[in-house]
Amino acid sequence: AQSVTQLGSHVSVSEGALVLLRCNYSSSVPPYLFWYVQYPNQGLQLLLKYTTGATLVKGINGFEAEFKKSETSFHLTKPSAHMSDAAEYFCAVIKVNSGYSTLTFGKGTMLLVSP
Amino acid sequence: DTAVSQTPKYLVTQMGNDKSIKCEQNLGHDTMYWYKQDSKKFLKIMFSYNNKELIINETVPNRFSPKSPDKAHLNLHINSLELGDSAVYFCASGRQGDYGYTFGSGTRLTVV
Repeated sequence: AQSVTQLGSHVSVSEGALVLLRCNYSSSVPPYLFWYVQYPNQGLQLLLKYTTGATLVKGINGFEAEFKKSETSFHLTKPSAHMSDAAEYFCAVIKVNSGYSTLTFGKGTMLLVSP
Repeated sequence: DTAVSQTPKYLVTQMGNDKSIKCEQNLGHDTMYWYKQDSKKFLKIMFSYNNKELIINETVPNRFSPKSPDKAHLNLHINSLELGDSAVYFCASGRQGDYGYTFGSGTRLTVV
């Protein structure tokens, strides 16, 4: 069965510092992987996704993630944090059940950005 | 022109009451979902409908009954509300084979 594990429930960075949010996956088939962001009191917004092809995926707001099969990882990075990046970030994987797919989420990582 | 809209945004009700949450999408997607986000922000799939047919029911109490009158709508009715039902409920839509789900802004349900 497909699943993801996010390492660290909270990550704190200073404005301008590198952002690194970790996600490891478990899947017996090639995984489809996603990062979503949730700003306070809002819904989830898709940041980026990996399905096939290039392993370095660029998303919105300057974020990118690299699919590394050897490490079963899909970590999210951004070179320079902005105050506006403070939010909850969710890694997710497509789980197939009886021929139908659903998104299965990790437990989330809260990104805190200090001035 | 909101893509996935849910109503109401906030819902405060007493234990034992019955309430409904409505969801509509205008993206032409064939699949719709209900997710529950608990107080620790954990997101869990509840139901999935494909072309108005229930395809996934993830061990949700039968007090929860989804209804899909057409492909663009998926409503959630909850009977005999309990304190533990307090959560944020998200509707989402997508297309089978194309995995970019679009989420609504959520309904915050508080049972008192």
